[in-house]
Amino acid sequence: QQQVKQSPQSLIVQKGGISIINCAYENTAFDYFPWYQQFPGKGPALLIAIRPDVSEKKEGRFTISFNKSAKQFSLHIMDSQPGDSATYFCAGIIQGAQKLVFGQGTRLTINP
Amino acid sequence: DSGVTQTPKHLITATGQRVTLRCSPRSGDLSVYWYQQSLDQGLQFLIHYYNGEERAKGNILERFSAQQFPDLHSELNLSSLELGDSALYFCASSVDGGGHYFGPGTRLTVL
Repeated sequence: QQQVKQSPQSLIVQKGGISIINCAYENTAFDYFPWYQQFPGKGPALLIAIRPDVSEKKEGRFTISFNKSAKQFSLHIMDSQPGDSATYFCAGIIQGAQKLVFGQGTRLTINP
Repeated sequence: DSGVTQTPKHLITATGQRVTLRCSPRSGDLSVYWYQQSLDQGLQFLIHYYNGEERAKGNILERFSAQQFPDLHSELNLSSLELGDSALYFCASSVDGGGHYFGPGTRLTVL
């Protein structure tokens, strides 16, 4: 019940296109959903996050869409750039439990 | 730069040995978390400390232990190392338990 399932495992998008990564969770006690971006050899970097009482959050080219009833959320990267090529992880956290449960990751490649 | 520092960056050691990984959280963050990242297991939560006290344990082996010191830095001790312990070990910190800020990691190779 702690799992966060992420898809696809890998994604190739042309420069300027929209990248979409999907996640689904089971535990309705999750109350914070961050997305992380990780470049090879680096630590995960917090990209954007959302709480379940909000249906959408936008920061620059990055948007999280959240569907509480379906227990799903997704990351949209608009106008995708080669510099966005990285591995993206979704996660859920129960703030009282104080640990992140990560999805399996999506390796995103933006072709120039 | 997240503001979280980890040392060493790389560590190569032999099976059966013991190593210590060090983490300094962002200024003002009282929480320190340790995560293990391997190719087949992804990012796995190990343990959480808050202001010197252990708050939560994840899939941490008994051969592994951690502590957080009064200056809030933390150490992860890995003993009786096995080949399967080879992984990236990340430390993260947060102020309110929400967004975690990750350090650059320590790559451990057990030969």
